[in-house]
Amino acid sequence: RKEVEQDPGPFNVPEGATVAFNCTYSNSASQSFFWYRQDCRKEPKLLMSVYSSGNEDGRFTAQLNRASQYISLLIRDSKLSDSATYLCVVNPLLAAGNKLTFGGGTRVLVKP
Amino acid sequence: DVKVTQSSRYLVKRTGEKVFLECVQDMDHENMFWYRQDPGLGLRLIYFSYDVKMKEKGDIPEGYSVSREKKERFSLILESASTNQTSMYLCASSGQDEKLFFGSGTQLSVL
Repeated sequence: RKEVEQDPGPFNVPEGATVAFNCTYSNSASQSFFWYRQDCRKEPKLLMSVYSSGNEDGRFTAQLNRASQYISLLIRDSKLSDSATYLCVVNPLLAAGNKLTFGGGTRVLVKP
Repeated sequence: DVKVTQSSRYLVKRTGEKVFLECVQDMDHENMFWYRQDPGLGLRLIYFSYDVKMKEKGDIPEGYSVSREKKERFSLILESASTNQTSMYLCASSGQDEKLFFGSGTQLSVL
């Protein structure tokens, strides 16, 4: 089983709709969680950290479910510019240093 | 804004050549990383460093080495480039909060 797994998609989303997707992780001791966004042929950029209590940043909401070992990202009122690949990142705390582990990414396509 | 600069956006090399990929960050970050990204395989960690002159192997270090002589600079070296090292190479840095900042990447083609 991969350490961090994501549904590759694509999720085809009508503009203005809500989309949500999950990321599962295998190591229950994982402590740090992040969502990154990557546009086509660009570098990944931090979208948001994921906190135990859940957190919101504008139209984006991230949740952590430790019991089931997954994090989620919800995008409300989708914009065309939200089309991107969303990467889940987890620190499994398996080794010294910040060895963050990336999921394979979930592709989201927002259409008019 | 944090800036992570990679020396080349596109690079074409021949099999067997020694290749240097340079990365510089301007935020005094302790941690620096080299990843490669391939279609269907996602981002894979090659090497990372959490201090000057320190280095740790990532998940796929074979065929690569690194150098960190100064805090702001982390170099990736392909001792003898091979065609299976054709890839997008991404450098990143982070501070104690683990938030990664990436360079814009180097697309390396080995012919």
